[in-house]
Amino acid sequence: QVQLQESGPRLVKPSETLSLTCTVSGGSISNYNWNWIRQPPGKGLECLGDISSSGSTNYNPSLESRVTISIDTSKNQFSLKLTSVTAADTAVYYCARGRDYGSELDSWGQGTLVTVSS
Amino acid sequence: DIRMTQSPSSLSVSVGDTITITCRASVGIDRFLNWYQQKPGKAPKLLIHDASDLETGVPSRFSGSGSGTDFTLTITSLQPEDIATYYCQQYDNLHTFGQGTRLEI
Repeated sequence: QVQLQESGPRLVKPSETLSLTCTVSGGSISNYNWNWIRQPPGKGLECLGDISSSGSTNYNPSLESRVTISIDTSKNQFSLKLTSVTAADTAVYYCARGRDYGSELDSWGQGTLVTVSS
Repeated sequence: DIRMTQSPSSLSVSVGDTITITCRASVGIDRFLNWYQQKPGKAPKLLIHDASDLETGVPSRFSGSGSGTDFTLTITSLQPEDIATYYCQQYDNLHTFGQGTRLEI
């Protein structure tokens, strides 16, 4: 059974860059889409974007100027960078696997709370 | 962008109830609609994909229907472990979610 685990700093200062990595274990990173989803405290789910195993990306238009998603198939990892963060970027960040051309998010990491604060 | 609108936003329920949650897409999405369950402090869990296909291991009291713009999630004989927030979701090169429906006892 595939498992996903987010890692990275839990506290980021305003205007700095949020960086997270998702490590995929128990399965191959090939032939799926890989996603970053976030959830501000007490609010709903927002997709930041996804990346295929070949490196093609789709980004949320509202965040596109600040988001970069990359993949390292040799390490079974994919990563998120979000620049120029503000308090509004405080959220639980999830990584998730998309199957069936990426349309169904069938495996999720446990999520990591990232707080933007000085 | 495709917008997903769920109703109701919250629902007061009792064990044994049959409940229905609706989800409307801003444009037709055929049957490309998924439902997730999220419990507090946990990641969402895929329940139903392609509008009506139950994910492996999900109890049969959960069912989904619909196509085009209007979809429903039904839970029959609600169990205590079903108390959660439910989200609909579509994918059109970007995952967009409904705002969620919170079940409360």
